Amino acid sequence: AQTVTQSQPEMSVQEAETVTLSCTYDTSENNYYLFWYKQPPSRQMILVIRQEAYKQQNATENRFSVNFQKAAKSFSLKISDSQLGDTAMYFCASPAGQGGSEKLVFGKGTKLTVNP
Amino acid sequence: NAGVTQTPKFQVLKTGQSMTLQCAQDMNHNSMYWYRQDPGMGLRLIYYSASEGTTDKGEVPNGYNVSRLNKREFSLRLESAAPSQTSVYFCASRKARGHHEDEQFFGPGTRLTVL
Repeated sequence: AQTVTQSQPEMSVQEAETVTLSCTYDTSENNYYLFWYKQPPSRQMILVIRQEAYKQQNATENRFSVNFQKAAKSFSLKISDSQLGDTAMYFCASPAGQGGSEKLVFGKGTKLTVNP
Repeated sequence: NAGVTQTPKFQVLKTGQSMTLQCAQDMNHNSMYWYRQDPGMGLRLIYYSASEGTTDKGEVPNGYNVSRLNKREFSLRLESAAPSQTSVYFCASRKARGHHEDEQFFGPGTRLTVL
């Protein structure tokens, strides 16, 4: 079974600082995308950023960027200039494998708290 | 566009009762999914449907059944609820098969408690 590991169950950061959330995955897919989702206290799952595995360049979306290391199967999320609204659970997701790009496997999540 | 909608938002059942969670999407997506979220466990796939008329088991299908009623709707049924099924249930949808870049869009979730 494919697995996604988020090794930091909880993290905290001061407002305006930078924080990095780690994720490692294990997929047998060749052409795939990786995703980071955010779940604020409202419970709504929101896409933060996606990375194409074939691209060398790391994806960026405003204050959010990834550090993608394909050989190491590592996909970390960097949040710059942290804001109070970034307080949320963050989930990393990768394809389930075996032709399973239709399905995603999610990590157990990292609870991020941004302190004022 | 309402996106992905789920009903109900909250439900309390007694052990042995049955119920159906409803999910609908208005984005003309082909794939639909049911997940459960438990503390410290992330999201785990219960069932998914790649297209109308097809369903497939996910990681934790026991105790659940699903129906892909049409392209818009995908329901999850608990025939005989058990306390172990206390969880938050999410429905999600995704545009099309083979489009690896497509993300899943999620509904607001249903918090189910089985006493």
